[in-house]
Amino acid sequence: EAAVTQSPRNKVAVTGGKVTLSCNQTNNHNNMYWYRQDTGHGLRLIHYSYGAGSTEKGDIPDGYKASRPSQENFSLILELATPSQTSVYFCASGDARGRTEVFFGKGTRLTVV
Amino acid sequence: QQNVQQSPESLIVPEGARTSLNCTFSDSASQYFWWYRQHSGKAPKALMSIFSNGEKEEGRFTIHLNKASLHFSLHIRDSQPSDSALYLCAVTGGGADRLTFGKGTQLIIQP
Repeated sequence: EAAVTQSPRNKVAVTGGKVTLSCNQTNNHNNMYWYRQDTGHGLRLIHYSYGAGSTEKGDIPDGYKASRPSQENFSLILELATPSQTSVYFCASGDARGRTEVFFGKGTRLTVV
Repeated sequence: QQNVQQSPESLIVPEGARTSLNCTFSDSASQYFWWYRQHSGKAPKALMSIFSNGEKEEGRFTIHLNKASLHFSLHIRDSQPSDSALYLCAVTGGGADRLTFGKGTQLIIQP
């Protein structure tokens, strides 16, 4: 079974602080994704990557940065966290331009106070 | 930008009944069509996919795709309480190498 591991699983951050969410995959997938999930909005794509060193903006990138230092690792960075970024964040990995299943991590619940 | 819409937003169905969930998309060049299922507090997980017009059946689950109508659907027969979950449709294609999800249908199967 494909594995995507997120850390931390829960995080409380202070408004204006820096937050880094980490993701590791052992599937050897080229593509990795960061989504956020909010009630009434479904899953919305923040950033994605085609491989080490690449990052692309998704549909809602404002206020977020991403980093893909290696095939296995993909981070989401909130430089100046705001309460509106309180959400559940999912990392995922996949390949073949959507022809094969995308595998999700268990999610990180982020609360910005 | 791809626009994916799901209906209904929520659905309550008695155990043993047939359930139908709908999804429309905006990009006619879309190629791959998925249904993901997410149980409460868990990660989304792929349920089924379809890549060409028509129908595909896997056990109690059937997908219909009509690209000309920009519509696909998921049908569940003999619905079980364990089917209770958030169902998310997702679409890829038209040059975009990522899934665009709908907002989901919350399905509750009543015993």
